[in-house]
Amino acid sequence: GENVEQHPSTLSVQEGDSAVIKCTYSDSASNYFPWYKQELGKRPQLIIDIRSNVGEKKDQRIAVTLNKTAKHFSLHITETQPEDSAVYFCAEGAYGNNRLAFGKGNQVVVIP
Amino acid sequence: DVKVTQSSRYLVKRTGEKVFLECVQDMDHENMFWYRQDPGLGLRLIYFSYDVKMKEKGDIPEGYSVSREKKERFSLILESASTNQTSMYLCASSTTGYEKLFFGSGTQLSVL
Repeated sequence: GENVEQHPSTLSVQEGDSAVIKCTYSDSASNYFPWYKQELGKRPQLIIDIRSNVGEKKDQRIAVTLNKTAKHFSLHITETQPEDSAVYFCAEGAYGNNRLAFGKGNQVVVIP
Repeated sequence: DVKVTQSSRYLVKRTGEKVFLECVQDMDHENMFWYRQDPGLGLRLIYFSYDVKMKEKGDIPEGYSVSREKKERFSLILESASTNQTSMYLCASSTTGYEKLFFGSGTQLSVL
């Protein structure tokens, strides 16, 4: 994850509020940006991804936005619920690198 | 549903032992990956494979080797286990390069 930084490392939100996690990357050739969710004791699971030719993508309560100029992308969770409590990992991939670089993860805690 | 199965959930080994971690996927995916996950460090790529008998080093390959004799199976080998290899090991597979990874449940390895 040295090429990808996530902020903040821990985020606490009240149930029903929105949560935003931001990731910054350094490789201008990066063209694929996924977000994975890992609940306690479980495997990471892909929740949403975006390519560099798209600025925003939504899937129900989650969305990802990409700012290529500033080299950052963000995960937005609206109307947070207790089951949204998890560690969220961002990652970036670039054509030709053949691999994903993951960030260190953000702990999101939804307070009932 | 894609199933990525790791043979052991917990494993305890002694320093110097040769350790085999097995991963099997049932969706005919070409691509398979081994990551290790450590608190505060995120997911780091050890090795990956895009085809049978093919392997490529990831970001932290030292002390590890891999074997992919069959498409569905990808093995991670610790030639001589050391205490700094105590970690959670996650296997993943995909059909589209490094995109849309499906992870196994992980093997928590403790080297004493």
